[in-house]
Amino acid sequence: GAVVSQHPSRVICKSGTSVKIECRSLDFQATTMFWYRQFPKQSLMLMATSNEGSKATYEQGVEKDKFLINHASLTLSTLTVTSAHPEDSSFYICSASGVAGYLRDIQYFGAGTRLSVL
Amino acid sequence: AQKVTQAQTEISVVEKEDVTLDCVYETRDTTYYLFWYKQPPSGELVFLIRRNSFDEQNEISGRYSWNFQKSTSSFNFTITASQVVDSAVYFCALSEAGRAGGTSYGKLTFGQGTILTVHP
Repeated sequence: GAVVSQHPSRVICKSGTSVKIECRSLDFQATTMFWYRQFPKQSLMLMATSNEGSKATYEQGVEKDKFLINHASLTLSTLTVTSAHPEDSSFYICSASGVAGYLRDIQYFGAGTRLSVL
Repeated sequence: AQKVTQAQTEISVVEKEDVTLDCVYETRDTTYYLFWYKQPPSGELVFLIRRNSFDEQNEISGRYSWNFQKSTSSFNFTITASQVVDSAVYFCALSEAGRAGGTSYGKLTFGQGTILTVHP
């Protein structure tokens, strides 16, 4: 149980285009989803926290208009990188925590998306 | 503010050796959770364990064991008889275990990670 699917696993795009990343909880309902960014050989940096049906809470320094997050249902959250530039190239990882019981306080992670902006 | 320190940046061992990954944390919360995650080369973080701050019992799961010492704010992870498949980056993390819906509820503070390489 507690499987989180993230798609796509890898994307290469041209500078100026927008890229959408999906994060789905496959076998549980996720009240909260988190989006992280990870640079090579570094730890995870939290970008934002999203709760189903409400606006995402962004961490300091993260541009809301640049990284659009939508958490439309209890199983799906999306991150859209708008007008991507080479400096946005990174590894993006989502996680989800469940509604109740042991799932409530544990984040389960997706496999990550490697974004390369040319 | 919460802080997690993994002082060992990289560890290299030979298969079958035991290895301990250190984790020291700082928090003002009286109730919190501690976690260990494994990130293999594929990139996905795999949940290994969660420990509640009120539960100081050590835990063993197969070749893995965890030692939680509240007095020294440490939550160390030992792999016994290491195998090549254990090669990964291991992250220790801390989260507040307060009121659900609070602004910081559930947010993880990660350590910098320890790169473990197990050689055949």
